Amino acid sequence: GQQVMQIPQYQHVQEGEDFTTYCNSSTTLSNIQWYKQRPGGHPVFLIQLVKSGEVKKQKRLTFQFGEAKKNSSLHITATQTTDVGTYFCAANAGGNKLVFGAGTILRVKS
Amino acid sequence: KAGVTQTPRYLIKTRGQQVTLSCSPISGHRSVSWYQQTPGQGLQFLFEYFSETQRNKGNFPGRFSGRQFSNSRSEMNVSTLELGDSALYLCASSLSGQGPEAFFGQGTRLTVV
Repeated sequence: GQQVMQIPQYQHVQEGEDFTTYCNSSTTLSNIQWYKQRPGGHPVFLIQLVKSGEVKKQKRLTFQFGEAKKNSSLHITATQTTDVGTYFCAANAGGNKLVFGAGTILRVKS
Repeated sequence: KAGVTQTPRYLIKTRGQQVTLSCSPISGHRSVSWYQQTPGQGLQFLFEYFSETQRNKGNFPGRFSGRQFSNSRSEMNVSTLELGDSALYLCASSLSGQGPEAFFGQGTRLTVV
């Protein structure tokens, strides 16, 4: 079945530093979604990317979808303590079935 | 608009018992999906229901089952519980179609002892 690899598993950054998490698939994706899960919380939708080479920004967050639609990244500029949590990418695998990456846990030291 | 509601929030069961979890999707959403989240396996898809029909199924044993009612509310059942079934069970609702954003509930934390 479809798999999405996500790295790194953990990242500890100093407040103000940048953060990036990457997702890769061996197959072409129809779209990719990103979610954030705060400690003790539930996943919350951030964005969906559909087009090849698409780049979308949400304040300090930049999302990219690769030209081949096989990889994606989320970059956070100047992290803040409110950015703490686990970031997941998720690929649509038919209907509303989502295949999630393993997630990247972000810790921010103030 | 009310979000996705899952009940109960916490549950402790004994091995061999069965359990039923409930999910009420956002009003107007016809698709309900269930996921199991564990530290070791991450978020894994269980099944999706759309207009009372199971549309997708993950790779879980037959002990895991679900259903959806005409008002789109969904239940999942796990029979003959095993210790490894301890997890956070998340329900997600989507408006319809393929690929729209999923709105997750707070989850039910199931502990099997």
